[in-house]
Amino acid sequence: AQSVTQPDIHITVSEGASLELRCNYSYGATPYLFWYVQSPGQGLQLLLKYFSGDTLVQGIKGFEAEFKRSQSSFNLRKPSVHWSDAAEYFCAALTGANNLFFGTGTRLTVIP
Amino acid sequence: DAMVIQNPRYQVTQFGKPVTLSCSQTLNHNVMYWYQQKSSQAPKLLFHYYDKDFNNEADTPDNFQSRRPNTSFCFLDIRSPGLGDAAMYLCATSSRRTDTQYFGPGTRLTVL
Repeated sequence: AQSVTQPDIHITVSEGASLELRCNYSYGATPYLFWYVQSPGQGLQLLLKYFSGDTLVQGIKGFEAEFKRSQSSFNLRKPSVHWSDAAEYFCAALTGANNLFFGTGTRLTVIP
Repeated sequence: DAMVIQNPRYQVTQFGKPVTLSCSQTLNHNVMYWYQQKSSQAPKLLFHYYDKDFNNEADTPDNFQSRRPNTSFCFLDIRSPGLGDAAMYLCATSSRRTDTQYFGPGTRLTVL
């Protein structure tokens, strides 16, 4: 079955520390992959996406993600977290059936 | 700026009283989606329109209906809201089913 897994429900990091949010997908072929961020009470904002080509993709707000086919992963990274990065992060995969599957989300808390 | 707009941002209705949520877009995208997101959960697709072609998800309750009178607007009608329908409702658009989805800010629905 097609699925997206975000193993970490909640992550806490100190401001200025590096961040990595994990995402794994289960699908027969390589799907299109996305990371979205959602602040409380807000909609989803696209951070970055991977369709093909260079496996390291740059996004907005200093985020990047690396697609690793061998690990079926698309982890999101940021070298130095800011307090304004505190939010819910969703990984999503667009499959051949044209459905966008979301992971369950990772809530990021940033401490001063 | 091209965008996805949802009105109202907050909607309070009574149990069983019909309610309509609105979504408009200036992106001129062919596809419009409605998602339901309950607290601490991932968004769940209810249905989508590809142009005027309506596509309902198999597990979307009959209580939920949608209209798309033109390219720019799409409405979500909840005919008889129950307490379990309280959620954030997200509208999204994409140029094609196989392309990136862009989300609006959402409408928070409360059912009393």
